[in-house]
Amino acid sequence: DTAVSQTPKYLVTQMGNDKSIKCEQNLGHDTMYWYKQDSKKFLKIMFSYNNKELIINETVPNRFSPKSPDKAHLNLHINSLELGDSAVYFCASSQATGRGLETQYFGPGTRLLVL
Amino acid sequence: KQEVTQIPAALSVPEGENLVLNCSFTDSAIYNLQWFRQDPGKGLTSLLLIQSSQREQTSGRLNASLDKSSGRSTLYIAASQPGDSATYLCAARTSFGAGTTVTVRA
Repeated sequence: DTAVSQTPKYLVTQMGNDKSIKCEQNLGHDTMYWYKQDSKKFLKIMFSYNNKELIINETVPNRFSPKSPDKAHLNLHINSLELGDSAVYFCASSQATGRGLETQYFGPGTRLLVL
Repeated sequence: KQEVTQIPAALSVPEGENLVLNCSFTDSAIYNLQWFRQDPGKGLTSLLLIQSSQREQTSGRLNASLDKSSGRSTLYIAASQPGDSATYLCAARTSFGAGTTVTVRA
């Protein structure tokens, strides 16, 4: 009964390929996030969706396109992969309360290696 | 834009010693502050969340304080154990610090 799950856990691919990472949460939360953790372990927000609507869209190359088919899912599609895309991608979810009680729950991460 | 800093980057202590981890943020209009633990090759586990209106939160051996006026939060871990060895990250909502990697020596 994993709360936030991601598939795949590992992804090794060639430069120029297109790939997708899937995220699902069974916590009933209405907000989901994608973060990128680089080789220096620094975690940066990429996108956030609330009730399937994009609410955070940081400066990310437009090769990255998030899609939220419903509140429980947030997928990340990456076109024309580059070497610099190699990182660990984390999905997270939280429940908006408007009172600062939004504890974020993280998935196990997807380790992407672009060769 | 909110920037979060954690110093030191690494810390090594003998078992039983109390741990003090520091987190500073630039924008005092903070919504909440959350402390996480990350084990090598794993995801993040939430430890404590402090709302903007709160000064501290406690859970077991963990205590986190928040001082918005000085832009600081501190995580205290009492009587450290080898199992506490991990990287600890603080986050002002979605802005994360780089983490403090803690090693507790048996």
